[in-house]
Order: sequence, then structure tokens, then C-alpha cells
Amino acid sequence: AQSVAQPEDQVNVAEGNPLTVKCTYSVSGNPYLFWYVQYPNRGLQFLLKYITGDNLVKGSYGFEAEFNKSQTSFHLKKPSALVSDSALYFCAVRAPNSGNTPLVFGKGTRLSVIA
Amino acid sequence: GAVVSQHPSWVICKSGTSVKIECRSLDFQATTMFWYRQFPKQSLMLMATSNEGSKATYEQGVEKDKFLINHASLTLSTLTVTSAHPEDSSFYICSASGRRNTIYFGEGSWLTVV
Repeated sequence: AQSVAQPEDQVNVAEGNPLTVKCTYSVSGNPYLFWYVQYPNRGLQFLLKYITGDNLVKGSYGFEAEFNKSQTSFHLKKPSALVSDSALYFCAVRAPNSGNTPLVFGKGTRLSVIA
Repeated sequence: GAVVSQHPSWVICKSGTSVKIECRSLDFQATTMFWYRQFPKQSLMLMATSNEGSKATYEQGVEKDKFLINHASLTLSTLTVTSAHPEDSSFYICSASGRRNTIYFGEGSWLTVV
């Protein structure tokens, strides 16, 4: 069975500094990996995904993530954080060729960007 | 891009009554939709997988008679919380698989049972 770990409950970063939100996964075979962001009282917004191809994936709002197979990681990054990036971030995984199976989510990491 | 719409966004109901939440895929057909529940400051908990034209598949511990799921068309799935109680108060989110293996989520529905 697949699983996702987000080791940090909270990440604090100063505005303008680079940010990293960590995610590691466990799945048989090559994974499908996703990052979503959730603002207060809202649903989840899709940021980016890795299915295959280039290990560095670029997504919405200047975010990117790097797939590292040897470390089974898919950390979310942004070169320069904005206060408006403050939100709850979820990493999720889906097994490959699994048809219409649901995503498995990490517990979430709350990002706080301080002006 | 693909959009998933949920309605209502907020609902308050009296204990013992039933409430229905709708999930629609607006510009794509979704043979499968997923219903999640989220408690404050926690991750999403998968409740059930909704399959068009067939019975939903419920996760362990989720009462299928309490959380009725109907997926009558390729663009609509509904979750009905029957005989609601205060402990059913939560944030419910649906999702659907769109193009290119991307899963899109609705905006969620806040249910408060008083």
C-alpha cells in the first residue's frame, strides 16, 4: 500500500526567502505524485504533479518540486516566498496504472510566510 | 481547466434531519468521484469512492447507511448525510479524475449539525 509522509507540521519562512516543504513517499513501482494547497475554509487547489519525465516539475504560482527516486522524495520548493503563500500544503501519491484509485495524502504542512 | 463544483458551500441542519451535498464535474466526465472528510487542522480522510451507475465503495469504518452516495450521471455525485448528529459536523470535499491523471477537488462543504 502506498503512503506519504510530511515530516513537518509547520514551516516558517521570511518573505523573499526560499521555501521548502518536505514530502517522502512509499509506493510499489513508479509513483504519481501531487502537491495541493488549501487556503482557510476552501477546497484543495492543484499545484503540480509528477507522472513521468523530467524530475523537476514546475507548477502554479511559481512553485516547483523535484522527484528524487533514490530518496523517495518529492519536496515542494519556491525561490522567493510571498505572504500570500501562507496556507496548508498537502503531498499526495497514487500508484501507477491503478485506474481510478483515490489519492493518498500526507497529513499536511502549514506554511507561514512572515513579512 | 477542469473544474469540480460543490454545493452547498455551507449548510446548517437540525439534528435528526438529512442533508444532501452535490459534487459536479463541470467540463469533463467523471466515472469515478471520491468523497473525503476533513476535521479541523487534519488531513483528508477518504470516505468512499463513487462509481457512476454502480454502488459506492466505502472505506472501513464509514457507515454506508448513514452516508448515502449516489452517482447517477457522469457529471454528478451526491452525498447524503442521513439522520445527522452533531458529530457529523465537518468539512466534506469531493474530487474527480480529470484529464492527464490530474485529480481535481471541489471547494468543499461545511456541515454544521445543531
